Parts: sequence; structure tokens; C-alpha cells
Amino acid sequence: GIQVEQSPPDLILQEGANSTLRCNFSDSVNNLQWFHQNPWGQLINLFYIPSGTKQNGRLSATTVATERYSLLYISSSQTTDSGVYFCAAPKKGNEKLTFGTGTRLTIIP
Amino acid sequence: KAGVTQTPRYLIKTRGQQVTLSCSPISGHRSVSWYQQTPGQGLQFLFEYFSETQRNKGNFPGRFSGRQFSNSRSEMNVSTLELGDSALYLCASSLQTDTQYFGPGTRLTVL
Repeated sequence: GIQVEQSPPDLILQEGANSTLRCNFSDSVNNLQWFHQNPWGQLINLFYIPSGTKQNGRLSATTVATERYSLLYISSSQTTDSGVYFCAAPKKGNEKLTFGTGTRLTIIP
Repeated sequence: KAGVTQTPRYLIKTRGQQVTLSCSPISGHRSVSWYQQTPGQGLQFLFEYFSETQRNKGNFPGRFSGRQFSNSRSEMNVSTLELGDSALYLCASSLQTDTQYFGPGTRLTVL
């Protein structure tokens, strides 16, 4: 099946800093999603981004499907950005999402 | 629109018992997927239902089963619970093969 790898596994930043999270995937995908898991465990949708670039406030994401990677950018980090960020992708023709192992982001005031 | 809802939110069972978890998708969504999240294995796909039919299945033993009703609500059942079944169980819904929206999860503890 498809392999999804995320880096770095942990990231600790001062409030106000910018961060870049990376997601590599091993096979062609027809969609890719980024999620933020809150402290209560719920996965919050950030982006559905099979290719190209999208922006939502301080967050933006870019997927380069031909090179099999996606990047999530967080600018001017706030403490509420802390949590675990996952990327997930299905293999083409399959609804099943394969998740990466996540990046744990900690923003220090 | 209301989001994906899951009941119960927390559950404590003992080994050997069985458990049923429920998921109500976003109105109009016909696909429901289930995932298990544990510290050791991360997020793993259990199964997916679309229009009452199981469309995909992950690599879990037969003790894990599910079903979907005509109103798209889904249930998953775990029989003969083991300690290793302690996990956060997440349900997600989508229209067909697009963005999946997750519920708050059911945290199952097996003693």
C-alpha cells in the first residue's frame, strides 16, 4: 500500500515563529488532506489539496503531486496551533486514507 | 450542517466483553469510514461503508465488524475485547471519494 512519511516528528517553536511541515508519499494519489488533531482527539480538516497551493489565514499548503510531497506552512504561530498535524492520502481508486505518523508541534509563549 | 457525531464518547469495558460504537455522518454523506488510533500503531483504517455496502476493509481481525443503515448511520462492533483494543475510534464521513470529515471519536478503555 501507499506509504506516507512526515517530518519532522517534533517541532518546538516560540510564539510568532513560522514553521514548515513536510509530507512525502510513495505512490500517486488523487487527493491529500492535512489535519490538526486537537487535545481532545478530534481531527480538524485543514486542507484538501491534491495539487497546487491553498491558503487559509495563517496556514497554507502546497502539494507537488509529480514529486510526491506536500508542505504545510504555519506563519506567526500561536499557542493554539499546538497539537499534532497529520497528512493523509488514499491510494488511487480507494477511499481508505493512509495517515502519516504526524508532526507534534509545540508553541511556547 | 451538523458535523459527524459519535456515541458514546467514552467507554470502559472488560476483557471478553463486546462493544458497539455508533457514528452519524454529515447529512447527505453516504460514505462512512472507521479508524483506530493507538499510541503504538498510529491511525489505522478499519473499514469503509458506502450505501450500506462495505467497500474497503483494513487489516484487522474478524472480531471487528461494522454495518451501515439506510440512513447512512454506521455502527462498528468489537467482540471478545482484548487489552490491545483500547484506543480512540474515529469515524469519518464523505460524499463519495473526497474530503473526509471526522467525528470527535469514542475513547475505549479495556480493563
